[in-house]
Parts: sequence; C-alpha cells; structure tokens
Amino acid sequence: GAVVSQHPSRVICKSGTSVKIECRSLDFQATTMFWYRQFPKQSLMLMATSNEGSKATYEQGVEKDKFLINHASLTLSTLTVTSAHPEDSSFYICSALGLADNTGELFFGEGSRLTVL
Amino acid sequence: RKEVEQDPGPFNVPEGATVAFNCTYSNSASQSFFWYRQDCRKEPKLLMSVYSSGNEDGRFTAQLNRASQYISLLIRDSKLSDSATYLCVASGGSYIPTFGRGTSLIVHP
Repeated sequence: GAVVSQHPSRVICKSGTSVKIECRSLDFQATTMFWYRQFPKQSLMLMATSNEGSKATYEQGVEKDKFLINHASLTLSTLTVTSAHPEDSSFYICSALGLADNTGELFFGEGSRLTVL
Repeated sequence: RKEVEQDPGPFNVPEGATVAFNCTYSNSASQSFFWYRQDCRKEPKLLMSVYSSGNEDGRFTAQLNRASQYISLLIRDSKLSDSATYLCVASGGSYIPTFGRGTSLIVHP
C-alpha cells in the first residue's frame, strides 16, 4: 500500500526554538496533505490542509504564522512550529490523499511527538 | 454539535465477545467513510472502508446507514490484540476528512 514517511518521530526542544517536521509520500503523488494535532486522550484535530503549489488552508483557531506549512512538491509537505512553547507539545501527524485515489482514503505518516521544555 | 460523534467508551469486553460501535455524522454530503484503528501513541491505521452495501473482512463488519447518517463496526470473537481506539472518519466531496474522537476498546482475558 501507499507509504507516507514522517520525521522526526520524536523531538525535544527548548522553548522559543523552531521545529520542522517533514512529511513525504514515498510511492505516490499527494496533491493534498493534511496536518493534524492530537493531545493525549483526544481526537485528531485538523490543523490545516496543504495543497501542492498553493497556500495552506488553516482551520479556525490555528495560527498560520506560528504553524508554517509548505507543500512545494507533490511528495513533500513540511510543518514548522515557530517559537515553540510548552503548550505546543503534542503529537503531530500528517496524512496524504493520493493523486489517483478517489476514495478519500488517507495514508498517515508515523507521527511526530514534540516536547517543548 | 460535532460533525462526527462516537461514544468514547471504554468498551471493556472479554475475549471472544462480540462488540459493536456506532458513529454518527452530521454532514449529509459526506461520501466516503472509514474506520481507523489507533494504538496508543501511534498513528492511525486504516481498518476498513465502509461501503453502502456493507463491508466484511474476517471478524470485522462495517455498515453504512445513509438515512440515519451513521456507520457501524462490528467485531466478532474479540482478541486481546483488538484492544485499541477505533476512529470513524467521514469525508465530504472535497475529501477533507473529519474524525470522530474515537472509541476505546479493551479486550481482557
């Protein structure tokens, strides 16, 4: 099946630093990628929808200047958490919708667990 | 009202039991439906798609009721390894998926 690779899987950083998370579709082209955040014992919350070659669409309440999303190619989207603070500590997961796939099935990255000290 | 609602559980069942989860969705334009399984601190993994005609895969059966706007997942002969959180997903015409908060299943010996 389709594979989405996400890294780093785990990152610990100091407050005020920026962290970049990469999401790659390895064997298919992903025109659309989604970025989710999941706090402990809560559901996946959609942060933004990233479309290749255009600006990301952010969900209400998500600061676009804090969570920078770049989808420069059909196989790579990045999420940069700028000036991270402890409240940004969470599990970030990307998912991709395949170019040739019209069923709406999502392929998930392995997730990135961010801890901000 | 949340777009996709699930009973968070936990459902605590013995091995071998049959357990069923329901999930309701509010967007009548939703076209694609899925059940995902998520283990603790891991990413969700697709369990099965939900088709209008129903879908069965081994011990798992998924059904869709468009009139009442819900999908269901039935697990027969539960195994210890079935313990996880089950997420239902509804996608609309633009394929932006909406997740339920998940239903926790605990299968005990």
